[in-house]
Amino acid sequence: DADVTQTPRNRITKTGKRIMLECSQTKGHDRMYWYRQDPGLGLRLIYYSFDVKDINKGEISDGYSVSRQAQAKFSLSLESAIPNQTALYFCATRGQGANTEAFFGQGTRLTVV
Amino acid sequence: GNSVTQMEGPVTLSEEAFLTINCTYTATGYPSLFWYVQYPGEGLQLLLKATKADDKGSNKGFEATYRKETTSFHLEKGSVQVSDSAVYFCALSDRSKDDKIIFGKGTRLHILP
Repeated sequence: DADVTQTPRNRITKTGKRIMLECSQTKGHDRMYWYRQDPGLGLRLIYYSFDVKDINKGEISDGYSVSRQAQAKFSLSLESAIPNQTALYFCATRGQGANTEAFFGQGTRLTVV
Repeated sequence: GNSVTQMEGPVTLSEEAFLTINCTYTATGYPSLFWYVQYPGEGLQLLLKATKADDKGSNKGFEATYRKETTSFHLEKGSVQVSDSAVYFCALSDRSKDDKIIFGKGTRLHILP
């Protein structure tokens, strides 16, 4: 089984719809992250969480919300999807410390039409 | 703030050619430096890392040396293979900034047989 599992892998949704992307991890790490990948822009941090009660905004949090339901689960919601939220979304987890490796899911390709 | 700048792609090389992908960083603290690789249709995975000045990270024939004096972490490989075709991301994580990982924009590498 993968260390980090994202569902769904692909999703097409309409403008204005609410959508949730789910992420679960089996690494036992406290820290979890949501990134967005766009061509030519690399990965940009949306939200991150150090534990269930510690959630922080990243550089592009507007239009997104998150929920940390358990140590292993971190979901990302788009309350009212818009076309410029079309992107590839990645969830990641890592242990404590600046020198630790991040483990990524395979990504969710979201298209908003 | 912290940032990572890496050479723009795509980079196209013939098999067995020498590879260099340049990466420079700006950080207020003492970051750890990473190279991640993203193969087609997959999430990112750690390629190598270095946690202090003059450290050399290496893996799968790739190498990068943490140069504090030039704030650089260039990725090199002596003889590339078709299977090295992927997107490569330089990244840093700074203990003084919540250990967040900051990514460069990525460099797409194509290796021709």
